[in-house]
Amino acid sequence: EVQLVESGGGVVRPGGSLRLSCAASGFTFDDFGMSWVRQVPGKGLEWVSGINWNGGNTGYADSVKGRFTISRDNAKNSLYLQMNSLRAEDTALYHCARGEPDSGYDDAFHVWGQGTMVTVSS
Amino acid sequence: EIVLTQSPDTLSLSPGERATLSCRASQSVSGSSLAWYQQKPGQAPRLLIYGASSRTTGIPDRFSGSGSGTDFTLTISRLEPEDFAVYYCQQYGSSPPLTFGGGTKVEIK
Repeated sequence: EVQLVESGGGVVRPGGSLRLSCAASGFTFDDFGMSWVRQVPGKGLEWVSGINWNGGNTGYADSVKGRFTISRDNAKNSLYLQMNSLRAEDTALYHCARGEPDSGYDDAFHVWGQGTMVTVSS
Repeated sequence: EIVLTQSPDTLSLSPGERATLSCRASQSVSGSSLAWYQQKPGQAPRLLIYGASSRTTGIPDRFSGSGSGTDFTLTISRLEPEDFAVYYCQQYGSSPPLTFGGGTKVEIK
């Protein structure tokens, strides 16, 4: 079964850091670009960051550029999001998502994880 | 950045009726790289349509996508009870950033 499982969310103070992980299973991880998409509960979807199959090409939303870093470890079938200088407006459910094979991160998202909640609050 | 505007915000319809959802882009979407998702409460989004008109495996044929350039449409030919949800469009032809529309809620009238 194709599956994405996020972890690492929690409550953090403004200015703090958090590292999210996404464990992939049921498919050949290094065939696919990956992204992080977030959603404030009750609100819409916002693409955060994406990475191509080998990590050589990454992209970020302006709202997180310079604060968040996306990476992957294909040997561990894992995607990561290092989140620094967190702000209240980063509070959201963070999903990892996968496109089609042999694509970059700029793709439709065929597979989604259930998400991990990040709350930034003092 | 390509801004996607979905309309209407809410669509109130009865089961069996036809639903027509609109997604308008602020500039032309390259290669018809436009997707539609369905999201129900407490669930992750589910991809329905990609490439503006290609249905994902397992999606019923009452869902269809059309359009090109800046104007795209998702049509649900006859609403089933399980189709009442929020629908989002997304463009992936011009990145970064990839962008989503604000969503259309299809509710039971």
